[in-house]
Parts: sequence; C-alpha cells; structure tokens
Amino acid sequence: EAGVTQFPSHSVIEKGQTVTLRCDPISGHDNLYWYRRVMGKEIKFLLHFVKESKQDESGMPNNRFLAERTGGTYSTLKVQPAELEDSGVYFCASSIRTGVFTGELFFGEGSRLTVL
Amino acid sequence: TQLLEQSPQFLSIQEGENLTVYCNSSSVFSSLQWYRQEPGEGPVLLVTVVTGGEVKKLKRLTFQFGDARKDSSLHITAAQPGDTGLYLCAGTGGGSNYKLTFGKGTLLTVNP
Repeated sequence: EAGVTQFPSHSVIEKGQTVTLRCDPISGHDNLYWYRRVMGKEIKFLLHFVKESKQDESGMPNNRFLAERTGGTYSTLKVQPAELEDSGVYFCASSIRTGVFTGELFFGEGSRLTVL
Repeated sequence: TQLLEQSPQFLSIQEGENLTVYCNSSSVFSSLQWYRQEPGEGPVLLVTVVTGGEVKKLKRLTFQFGDARKDSSLHITAAQPGDTGLYLCAGTGGGSNYKLTFGKGTLLTVNP
C-alpha cells in the first residue's frame, strides 16, 4: 500500500513567486492535514480536511496560503505570493478517522520550500 | 496556547547506554503521541498514550504518560545505532481531538 506522497520534495523560488505543493493521501483516508516546520521551531498545524471540506484552517498563517482538496482525494497548498518567512518543510498527513483520538497519522516525507 | 517542551534538545550517547527524553507542559493533554523522524522522511508514530499514569512498552522503548496528563517520558534501554533519529512528542487537547501540538524534538545520536 502506497503511503502519503508529496510533491515536490524540494522547491526553491524567489520572493513574490507562487508555489503549489501537492499531497496524495493514503487511499481511503478521509482526513488530510497540513503541517509546517519552520527552521528552529516546532511542527505546527495548518489545516484539516475531512473529505473535500475544510474542518479547521485555524493554523493557516495568512491569506497568501490557499489549500484545496477537490473531490476529496489529493490536496494542494498554494502560496501566493511567497515571502521569505514561508520557508520551511511542509508536511502532509492522513488518517482514517478522528473522534476519540487514537487514530494514527501517517505523514509524508515533506516538501521543503526555500524562498530566496 | 498549549506548548510542549522537550528535553534534552540534543543527546549523543554510546551504544548500550540508557537514556530518557522528557516532554513537559503546563497544559493537560487528552492524548500524547511519540514520533520518530529520520532525515528526509516524515514523522512515524511510535505510540499513543491516553490515560494518566499509563505505561507502554515497545521492545527497548518505554513510554509513560504523567498522572496529570501534562508530561510524558520516553526511556530507551541499551540504545543501538539504529535508534538514532529525531524523537518528537505531540499532544491533542484544548477541545480538539485531531490537532497535534508538537514539541521541538530531541535529536538522538547513538555512536557505535
């Protein structure tokens, strides 16, 4: 069974440009999450999808970030325009269920974004 | 805002030694998870603890959740080079049962 896959693994862009990160969750996992780790900081929650619906986007830094999950399958996270402070590793994770949280999150390898 | 403080931040030991990593907070968590992350990969779940005072063992790894559900520890017995990696604790709470709050991690190096 394929795990969570993310693309690209590394992206280097200039300030002001646009980048789109993609995440393919494990098949059958309705829950999809985006997290981000900025250098020197802890991994932080960005948002949570259940199927195609955004359940919680309280962690999104600002309106330069747009996440979508059309059809409830893969998800994209677009940063437009990118700023220097957006540099970091963006992790996607998926899980079968929430509820009483004993569910396991499966993380992708992350997409490293460098904004110059 | 819930915060998780991990200590130590870095740990370098010799093969065969024992070690303990700590994860502390002033907040109560409804569950706490420990992850291990290797370079270039995402975090991989090791264990979830949900009951205050709970102890779980995974081979040479022992995980404990504090009685008040504010802290946790990870103890490794007879560490091996294969244990090298970044150990992360993460908790759920504050009304959310899906949003993880992570600690910064403990980078463990086990030298042969």
